[in-house]
Amino acid sequence: GDSVTQMEGPVTLSEEAFLTINCTYTATGYPSLFWYVQYPGEGLQLLLKATKADDKGSNKGFEATYRKETTSFHLEKGSVQVSDSAVYFCAAMTTDSWGKLQFGAGTQVVVTP
Amino acid sequence: EAQVTQNPRYLITVTGKKLTVTCSQNMNHEYMSWYRQDPGLGLRQIYYSMNVEVTDKGDVPEGYKVSRKEKRNFPLILESPSPNQTSLYFCASSLSGGSNQPQHFGDGTRLSIL
Repeated sequence: GDSVTQMEGPVTLSEEAFLTINCTYTATGYPSLFWYVQYPGEGLQLLLKATKADDKGSNKGFEATYRKETTSFHLEKGSVQVSDSAVYFCAAMTTDSWGKLQFGAGTQVVVTP
Repeated sequence: EAQVTQNPRYLITVTGKKLTVTCSQNMNHEYMSWYRQDPGLGLRQIYYSMNVEVTDKGDVPEGYKVSRKEKRNFPLILESPSPNQTSLYFCASSLSGGSNQPQHFGDGTRLSIL
């Protein structure tokens, strides 16, 4: 079945450091890929998405590129802030699972001043 | 303001006592779904609904029921809760469920079943 695997956390960084969170997927066909962010006590918010190979999603300084050859969608940010502390989820949606997001386990990111 | 509202936010209850978690959205969305979030497992879909009176099972439907009598509401029912249903629950909605439409999530309901 479809699955999403992302690196385990927590990831602890200093402010202004570079952040990478790895995400790979297994799916039939070519899914749409997403990154969601969950701040403490809140629901999930869509951070960025990509719907086809080589697409790059970007938002709030975060980027991720849909790599079909490596079935990956790694999240990156060049200079993190304390306000980026959150849990980040990679997710996939295939055309035969309409509306259903297949989530990774989530990666907690802690940014210290 | 566009939002998905869940109630209650927190609930501690006992095994076997029926409970309902409500979910309401004000965006006229057709697609709604419920997820549970457990450590190390991410979010898993419980049930979903494509429209009024149209519901179907997700990946982990055992022990849950849903109904969709009105477009805006999608309650999650635990008729006989058990401790393994202790979890953080999220309701989500989108216009029709397509991958090009953002899914809006509620703030979550933390259930503890003793």
